[in-house]
Order: sequence, then C-alpha cells, then structure tokens
Amino acid sequence: GEDVEQSLFLSVREGDSSVINCTYTDSSSTYLYWYKQEPGAGLQLLTYIFSNMDMKQDQRLTVLLNKKDKHLSLRIADTQTGDSAIYFCAESTALGGGGNKLTFGTGTQLKVEL
Amino acid sequence: DGGITQSPKYLFRKEGQNVTLSCEQNLNHDAMYWYRQDPGQGLRLIYYSQIVNDFQKGDIAEGYSVSREKKESFPLTVTSAQKNPTAFYLCASSIEGGYTFGSGTRLTVV
Repeated sequence: GEDVEQSLFLSVREGDSSVINCTYTDSSSTYLYWYKQEPGAGLQLLTYIFSNMDMKQDQRLTVLLNKKDKHLSLRIADTQTGDSAIYFCAESTALGGGGNKLTFGTGTQLKVEL
Repeated sequence: DGGITQSPKYLFRKEGQNVTLSCEQNLNHDAMYWYRQDPGQGLRLIYYSQIVNDFQKGDIAEGYSVSREKKESFPLTVTSAQKNPTAFYLCASSIEGGYTFGSGTRLTVV
C-alpha cells in the first residue's frame, strides 16, 4: 500500500530558510500536496504539485519533486514565527473528487525560534 | 461563505458509550471523508463516501460507523467497540479541483 514518510521535528531560527522533506512509495501518485496545521485547527492547503513537474514556486514557498527518488520537499524562505505549525505531505491519484483519497505523512512539527 | 462545519469542537465520552460527530458542508461536494489524527501518526482514513447513500471503509474503520443520507452531511459514530477513541477527528470533502477540511473535533474518553 501507499506509504508517506516525514521526519517528526524541525527547528529553525527566524529569518532562516526551512526545508521539510517527504518520501513516498506509490509510483502512481499523481498529485503531491503540502498542508499546514496550526494547533487545534484543521488543515490548510499550502500548495500542490503535479507529478510531471519538478518545481513549483509560490511566494515564500518552493516545492521540489524528484520523481525518480520519490522525494518531495517544501522550502519556506525567510521563516517567521507564524510559520510554526505541523506540515503534512500528502499524495493522491487525482486532484480531489470521487473516492480519490489523500494519503498523509506523519507530519513535521516546525518550530521557529527567535 | 461555503465551507465545512464540524461540531462539537470538544467532546467527552464515557467508556462504553457511543457518540456521533457531526460534519456538514455547503460546498456541493460529492465526496466526503473522515480522518483520525494521533500524535506522530499523521492522518488515517476511517471512512469515505463518493456519493449519497454510498460509503466505503478506509484503513481504520473498525469501531466506527457512518451514514450519508444527504449530500451535505456525513456523520461519524464512534461506537463502544472502538478501543482507543481519544483522538482528533477531521472531516473533509472534495470535488475535482481539491479538498476542503473542517476544523476538527477533539474526542476524549473519560
């Protein structure tokens, strides 16, 4: 079955870049997502990338995809204290709809220190 | 504004009791999902529904039940058969183009 793995914790200083990594096993994964979860809240979609893309940039966020190694990363430039949250990597075979389920990683707790 | 509403935000249950978590959406999405979140384990799929009056088991369905009588509603019942129900429960819906999540219900067994 599908498996998505992430490291559990990351600590960075304010102003530095954060890089959160994710590996997945399902070669049929078509869409790969990054979600942000603040304490006690639901999930906020940050960005997603289609599997035929290598990179996607959106303001401070850069997503890199190495499809050969099944490795996905999220880089947050100029990390701020408001970026402290849990970040989930997820994959699916379609962009929503039908019974296309999201399979999530364990989540990475990002802590931004002053 | 369209969105997903989960209620209640916090729920306490005595051992041996069934409880029902509410999930309502006004996004006109056909598909709805229930996930369970435990620390260090990510989100695991409990049940999902592609259309009204139809639903399928996810990866951890034992001890849970659902119904989908209306497009807008997908309630989750945590039964007494669920041995470790204390967790954060998230509901989601989707349509071609993306998924939307509710703000979650934290269930605690006392």
